[in-house]
Amino acid sequence: QTVVTQEPSFSVSPGGTVTLTCGLSSGSVSTSYYPSWYQQTPGQAPRTLIYSTNTRSSGVPDRFSGSILGNKAALTITGAQADDESDYYCVLYMGSGILVFGGGTKLTVL
Amino acid sequence: EVQLVESGGGLVQPGGSLRLSCAASGFTFSSYEMNWVRQAPGKGLEWVSYISSSGSTIYYADSVKGRFTISRDNAKNSLYLQMNSLRAEDTAVYYCARFYNTAIVMDVWGKGTTVTVSS
Repeated sequence: QTVVTQEPSFSVSPGGTVTLTCGLSSGSVSTSYYPSWYQQTPGQAPRTLIYSTNTRSSGVPDRFSGSILGNKAALTITGAQADDESDYYCVLYMGSGILVFGGGTKLTVL
Repeated sequence: EVQLVESGGGLVQPGGSLRLSCAASGFTFSSYEMNWVRQAPGKGLEWVSYISSSGSTIYYADSVKGRFTISRDNAKNSLYLQMNSLRAEDTAVYYCARFYNTAIVMDVWGKGTTVTVSS
């Protein structure tokens, strides 16, 4: 069974930079997995941030960026703001319509 | 405005059934693939099911295979999830999400409908 791994939690200071990662329990993440990233605040629906590794969704500030770092997908927030405090989920495409979510990272800005 | 609105959630006993609906507006529903995603209380997001634009191709997560059925009515701009043999672990907020297959991304989300399985 494929497991998509994310850091359970992370903290960043206001104005700081943080990189969240998305890996596989077995193997490396590449662009072929079309990694996407979603932001969710409590009680709200997910918001699409990044797709196809590094393409920002419409209206997403350019302080959010996506990449492949080593064997993982990565979401970098540059100049973190208080309202970036959220849960962040990555999704990898396994082919044949199958999507797998990571467990999510709870980001604290303090 | 592009919008997805889920409905049909509620309280159901273990072993019972429920049918969720997702009404789409503001875009050509018949051109898009769709997904259901759920989130158990205090837990992360879990992909549940996928359906192609025509309804001819369908996939399910192992956790719901054989119990849930996804379908769509393009004439009514609606997506459905028939849930049978419900278990306590199916308790979750269920979201429908539009799938933009060119970019492999769920780009539009509904606000969700809550399903509670409890006696």
